Amino acid sequence: DIVMTQSPDSLAVSLGERATINCKSSQSVLYSSNNENYLAWYQQKPGQPPKLLIYWASTRESGVPDRFSGSGSGTDFTLTISRLQAEDVAVYYCQQYHTAPATFGQGTKLEIK
Amino acid sequence: QVQLQESGPGLVKPSETLSLTCAVSGYSISSDCYWGWIRQPPGKGLEWIGNIYHSGTTYYNPSLKSRVAISADTSKNQVSLRLSSVTAADTAVYYCARRTAVAGNFFDYWGRGTLVTVSS
Repeated sequence: DIVMTQSPDSLAVSLGERATINCKSSQSVLYSSNNENYLAWYQQKPGQPPKLLIYWASTRESGVPDRFSGSGSGTDFTLTISRLQAEDVAVYYCQQYHTAPATFGQGTKLEIK
Repeated sequence: QVQLQESGPGLVKPSETLSLTCAVSGYSISSDCYWGWIRQPPGKGLEWIGNIYHSGTTYYNPSLKSRVAISADTSKNQVSLRLSSVTAADTAVYYCARRTAVAGNFFDYWGRGTLVTVSS
């Protein structure tokens, strides 16, 4: 299985500041045939299911605010929240869907400083 | 608006079979998409269990494949999960979710999840 490792495990950022979460895969999740990275990001608030934020590493899901952006390729990826708002407090997960079984990172807990 | 609602027993005894149902509304499960199950042990991360395609083809996580069965009932517009020979390690919130057919194995709509505890 592809192992997804997120860093840091937890993060505290001031309101209005930038938050950066990293995700590293044990194997490349880039498909050379279509040049797509098979990587998604989810946000999970307490007591709620995960919410899809980003897919194909950088495509924002419909309705997701543009302060959320995804970047990276191959094995190293980043989720950036450009101007942190109070409602962004959550756990964030990356997921690879390049190779079955799909696997998730361990999660990064984002809090307000 | 696509809505998914999981249901089933909240408590299952060790060695027995866990059975859950996911009722889908606002979208036909016969449409060209997949329906997946994902679980999350309390306070832990997410694990993909498996998917069923609208045609009935199933895909399972190899770590669970010997114990899992996912099925679909188009007449009721619902998807079901059965997990046999459960142990305490199967205690988790179980989510059903939709994966579109044209995209990769990621999930755009999720149910709220149902907690299943394995205990005698």
